[in-house]
Amino acid sequence: EPEVTQTPSHQVTQMGQEVILRCVPISNHLYFYWYRQILGQKVEFLVSFYNNEISEKSEIFDDQFSVERPDGSNFTLKIRSTKLEDSAMYFCASSQRVTSYEQYFGPGTRLTVT
Amino acid sequence: QKEVEQNSGPLSVPEGAIASLNCTYSDRGSQSFFWYRQYSGKSPELIMFIYSNGDKEDGRFTAQLNKASQYVSLLIRDSQPSDSATYLCAVNDQYSGGGADGLTFGKGTHLIIQP
Repeated sequence: EPEVTQTPSHQVTQMGQEVILRCVPISNHLYFYWYRQILGQKVEFLVSFYNNEISEKSEIFDDQFSVERPDGSNFTLKIRSTKLEDSAMYFCASSQRVTSYEQYFGPGTRLTVT
Repeated sequence: QKEVEQNSGPLSVPEGAIASLNCTYSDRGSQSFFWYRQYSGKSPELIMFIYSNGDKEDGRFTAQLNKASQYVSLLIRDSQPSDSATYLCAVNDQYSGGGADGLTFGKGTHLIIQP
């Protein structure tokens, strides 16, 4: 069964450094998403992406964040200058959205900012 | 501000019984409703979705939607210890032909199935 994959599973970085989180969505899906979950808190929407552009973004998704689909398979989230409060699990999700609206999540990347 | 409310629990249910999980949402424009299961340290796993008022059954799971009351529920029949997890309710206002909305999640209900 097709799955969303994410790399790395765990990323440790120092405050102020740039990180890139990578995702490979399910192959026939058209819509891609990033969410984050701070430890002990709820899952929060960051951004959605369709047809090579941002479709929707939340208040969390400020100028330090960017997304890109650099090739036909990868979908990335870049955090330009990490802060301690960026420490969280980051989940990528994808959806077909032609015949169904269900979003399927990847295993996540645990980002630790020190 | 869209809100999704769930009782955080823990909800303790004996093995073999029916577990009932509830969720309310604030945005009357919400159109799509999802239940995810999340084991500790893992990602959300989609287990049920419902778009129309009424009941939807899939195996041991039944999702119930009442848009007038802005209420969604999940029933798990014949509960098993492996059902012990946090159950997340999520909604969006996506409808056919619309944009790619993100999901709004509740904080989740921690379910414990007692052997």
